[in-house]
Amino acid sequence: DIQMTQSPSLLSASVGDRVTLNCKASQNIYQHLAWYQRKLGEAPKLLIYNVNSLQTGIPSRFSGSGSGTDFTLTISSLQPEDLATYFCQQYFSGWTFGGGTTLELK
Amino acid sequence: QVQLQQSGAELAKPGSSVKISCTASGYTFTSYSISWIKETPGQGLEYIGYINPGSGGTNYNEKFKGKAALTVDKSSTTAFMQLSSLTPDDSAVYYCARSVSFWGPGTMVTVSS
Repeated sequence: DIQMTQSPSLLSASVGDRVTLNCKASQNIYQHLAWYQRKLGEAPKLLIYNVNSLQTGIPSRFSGSGSGTDFTLTISSLQPEDLATYFCQQYFSGWTFGGGTTLELK
Repeated sequence: QVQLQQSGAELAKPGSSVKISCTASGYTFTSYSISWIKETPGQGLEYIGYINPGSGGTNYNEKFKGKAALTVDKSSTTAFMQLSSLTPDDSAVYYCARSVSFWGPGTMVTVSS
């Protein structure tokens, strides 16, 4: 199975900060990488697919980058509604998920 | 808009089976696969497998072969997952998802005597 490792697991930031979340795959997954936002009690919401394609309706402050095994989700200017847990998912071979990064207010 | 409505929470006894449902609306049901995901505090999110509603074809994570059985009813645009020979380790929240793009709200399954 392809393992997905996210870092950090907890990130403290202030409103307006540029925030970077990392995701590393245990092998090359090419462009088959998605990012989700998860709020308490809600289903995961797709933000980014195919590494850098913004899902319809998602604010442009979210962006994705990377290739192969190393990927990044960036929030250009953190908003209060962005406080949530974010996880990455590979869909190159089955699906596997990272453990998540929780964003909290500093 | 796309909606995936899942059946309600289940309380089941060890050794029994449960069948949970995922009813889709707002899109052409046969155009997207339906995947199922298990979530537990200990193991996090685990992929169970997917079904192609058009063909009925399935693909399972090796770990869940023999545990989960995926089916669909095209007439009601509903996907089903049957979990058999339940043990406490099957206690989890189970999600259906339309490809990678949209997830249902989840169904909690509790296995307890």
